[in-house]
Amino acid sequence: EVQLVESGGGLVQPGGSLRLSCAASGFTFSTYGMTWVRQAPGQGLEWVNYISSSSNTIYEADSVKGRFTISRDNAKNSLYLQMNSLRAEDTAVYYCGRANDGPFDYWGQGTLVTVSS
Amino acid sequence: QLVLTQSPSASASLGASVKLTCTLSSGHSSYAIAWHQQQPDKGPRYLMKVNSDGSHNKGDGIPDRFSGSSSGAERYLTISSLQSEDETDYYCQTWDTGIRVFGGGTKLTVL
Repeated sequence: EVQLVESGGGLVQPGGSLRLSCAASGFTFSTYGMTWVRQAPGQGLEWVNYISSSSNTIYEADSVKGRFTISRDNAKNSLYLQMNSLRAEDTAVYYCGRANDGPFDYWGQGTLVTVSS
Repeated sequence: QLVLTQSPSASASLGASVKLTCTLSSGHSSYAIAWHQQQPDKGPRYLMKVNSDGSHNKGDGIPDRFSGSSSGAERYLTISSLQSEDETDYYCQTWDTGIRVFGGGTKLTVL
């Protein structure tokens, strides 16, 4: 059974940093691209970034360029999101997802990030 | 610019069928899309990929009541024999080199 479990969310002050993790199991992690998607309170889904299976290719939304970094450790079956210079508008539930070519075919349950003083 | 447009809301009666629409922006009518369902306070659930020719590939465990189709730049999700648990949010998603895109979502009400 494919499982994706996010962790690392919490309350952080504006300008602060946070690192999210996503633990993957039930599939060969090293052969799939992975993605982060977020959802602000009461809003729709917003794609954040994507990393290819070997980390050779990374795509990012303009809203997080220069502030967020996606990475992965295939030996640990883990995906990461380093978030710096956080803003109030980054407040959201962050989901990791498995990218099966184009579609995101499995999702985690999400972790809440709140940016507030 | 690659954009997906969805109606904010839709409704249909219990036991009936409903067809949700996702429209691709001009110049992108050949693109495939994916449909996702999201229950309140839960992560999304992948339903299916819908190709421009109308063929679709469903995710694991998705009931036969869910199907996909296409016409021009429109991609559809049809849910038949509507059940109360189908009342939730539905998102379409597409992709191109360097970008992934979501539609704004449709909230489905089962009457």
